[in-house]
Amino acid sequence: GQNIDQPTEMTATEGAIVQINCTYQTSGFNGLFWYQQHAGEAPTFLSYNVLDGLEEKGRFSSFLSRSKGYSYLLLKELQMKDSASYLCAFIRRADYKLSFGAGTTVTVRA
Amino acid sequence: DGGITQSPKYLFRKEGQNVTLSCEQNLNHDAMYWYRQDPGQGLRLIYYSQIVNDFQKGDIAEGYSVSREKKESFPLTVTSAQKNPTAFYLCASSWTGGSNEQFFGPGTRLTVL
Repeated sequence: GQNIDQPTEMTATEGAIVQINCTYQTSGFNGLFWYQQHAGEAPTFLSYNVLDGLEEKGRFSSFLSRSKGYSYLLLKELQMKDSASYLCAFIRRADYKLSFGAGTTVTVRA
Repeated sequence: DGGITQSPKYLFRKEGQNVTLSCEQNLNHDAMYWYRQDPGQGLRLIYYSQIVNDFQKGDIAEGYSVSREKKESFPLTVTSAQKNPTAFYLCASSWTGGSNEQFFGPGTRLTVL
């Protein structure tokens, strides 16, 4: 079977750093996506990791360990507009379908 | 501007009625997808299509139907057989292949009265 887990909620202060962890179990893993979704809106793409290691894009970085079935999204210098749900999703090699976690709601406080 | 559109944004229907949600993309993507999102849950795949005139059931296809007569369009019909249709419905498209991100439309919020 397949499974993907991430924390339900996280709260942090403006300017701080938050790390959102994601663990997954699947056969035929091909890669891992992170999406940001503001309430009532469409998810927007943040990152895609295929190989092990850290990928940095400005204030956001994403890490993948294929052997551990583990990823994290790191949000630095938090801003109020970063308050959103962050969705972790893996893609399978067999059919290229995405399987999503339930999402982590991040609340940034002043 | 290239993009993916869904209409309407909000939709109300009476119990027992079928309703069709529209999804159009002008990104020239081959693959299109329909997801359902409920509070506190991740996106769940309803149907997907990787080429015109072909589509496959996702994880929760019961009570739904789709068609893919044109590359640009992938309408979803929520039938009266769907027991709990009130949800946020998201359409997405992508190139075929494993590393290509899915682009999402703005979503349709369906409420059954």
